[in-house]
Amino acid sequence: EPEVTQTPSHQVTQMGQEVILRCVPISNHLYFYWYRQILGQKVEFLVSFYNNEISEKSEIFDDQFSVERPDGSNFTLKIRSTKLEDSAMYFCASSEVRAAEAFFGQGTRLTVV
Amino acid sequence: SQQGEEDPQALSIQEGENATMNCSYKTSINNLQWYRQNSGRGLVHLILIRSNEREKHSGRLRVTLDTSKKSSSLLITASRAADTASYFCATDRADSWGKLQFGAGTQVVVTP
Repeated sequence: EPEVTQTPSHQVTQMGQEVILRCVPISNHLYFYWYRQILGQKVEFLVSFYNNEISEKSEIFDDQFSVERPDGSNFTLKIRSTKLEDSAMYFCASSEVRAAEAFFGQGTRLTVV
Repeated sequence: SQQGEEDPQALSIQEGENATMNCSYKTSINNLQWYRQNSGRGLVHLILIRSNEREKHSGRLRVTLDTSKKSSSLLITASRAADTASYFCATDRADSWGKLQFGAGTQVVVTP
C-alpha cells in the first residue's frame, strides 16, 4: 500500500543550526502538507503546497521556515535557524486532491538543544 | 477559533466493549477525518466523512456527522487491545481547502 515516508525519523540539532526534513509523498498525490505536534499538544498545521507553490500557511510558518519540492518525488521543510521551541514531531502529509483523505508519514522527531 | 474538540479526553474499556468518542467543531466544513495515533507515532487515517454525508462505516468503525449540531462521533465496536491509541478528529474547514484542524484527541485504553 502506498505510504508517505519521512526521513530522518529523529534529528537532534543545536540551536541556531539549519535543518532539512525530508518527505516522499504518495506518488499520484498533488497536495502536500507539513504539520507539527509539540509533545503533549495538538497537531498543528504549518503549510500546504500545490503546483509548486504555497497554498496556505499558518502564523507559525514564519520566515524561518521554507518548503520545496526539489524534484518529482521529494518534499522538504527547511528551518533556517532552529530555536528550542521548534522541538516537535513534524509530519508530512499528502492528498490526491483538495478536501480528500490526507495521509501522514511516521514523522520526524526534531530535538533542538 | 478552536475546531475539532474531542470528548471524552480519556476512555478506558475492556476488550469486546464498544468505544464511542465525540468531536465538536465551530465552523462549516468540507469534511471531517478521524485519525489514530499510537504513542506519539504517525497518524493513521481511519475514515473521512463529507459534509453531505450522515454516516459511514469501515470495518469495526462507524462515524456519524450532524452538521446542524456541528458534531461527529466515532464508534469502535468489539474493541481489541490493539485499538489502544489516541484518536483525533480533524476538520477541513469550508473556508480553507485541505488544511486540517485537529482536536486534542481522546486517549483510549483497551484492557484484555
